[in-house]
Amino acid sequence: DIVMTQSPDSLAVSLGERATINCKSSQSVSYSSNNKKYLAWYQQKSGQPPKLLIYWASTRESGVPDRFSGSGSGTDFTLTISSLQAEDVAVYYCQQYYSTPPTFGQGTKVEIK
Amino acid sequence: EVQLVESGGGLVQPGGSLRLSCAASGFNFNSYEMNWVRQAPGKGLEWVSYISSSVSTIYYADSVKGRFTISRDNARNSLYLQLNSLRAEDTAVYYCARGGSGSYFFFDYWGQGTLVTVSS
Repeated sequence: DIVMTQSPDSLAVSLGERATINCKSSQSVSYSSNNKKYLAWYQQKSGQPPKLLIYWASTRESGVPDRFSGSGSGTDFTLTISSLQAEDVAVYYCQQYYSTPPTFGQGTKVEIK
Repeated sequence: EVQLVESGGGLVQPGGSLRLSCAASGFNFNSYEMNWVRQAPGKGLEWVSYISSSVSTIYYADSVKGRFTISRDNARNSLYLQLNSLRAEDTAVYYCARGGSGSYFFFDYWGQGTLVTVSS
């Protein structure tokens, strides 16, 4: 199974500042033949189900604010929140879908400083 | 509007069984792959099982293989998960999740979840 490791486990950021979450996979989740990166990001607010934010590493799901962006390739990926808002307080998960079983990172908790 | 509504969770003794259901609406259910994903209390997400739109392909996590059975009824727009030989470590919120377009293994819509508690 591909192991997904996120860093940090938690971070506190001031309102309006940038938040950066890293995700590393134990093997590449990029497919060279189609240049696709099989990596998704989810946001889970307290007491709610996860919500898809980004897939193909950098494609924003419809309705997701453009302050959320994803980047990376191979084994190293990043979710950036360019200007943190109060409603962005949540746990964020990365997930690979390059191979079965799909696997998630352990989550990164984002709070307001 | 896409809606996924799970039901069937509850308290069950170790070794017991439960059947979870997920009622889907707001999209063409028989065109989408479906999944179950679980989350133990205070823990992260764990994918459990997948079923293709035509029921031709089914996958399970190793942790549930041989104990859980996924199924679907496209005529009823419903997804199911039969949980047998339950263990304490199966205690979790179980989410029904729709597969991303193009038959990929990301999850674009999730239900609110149903809690399964395995305890004597």
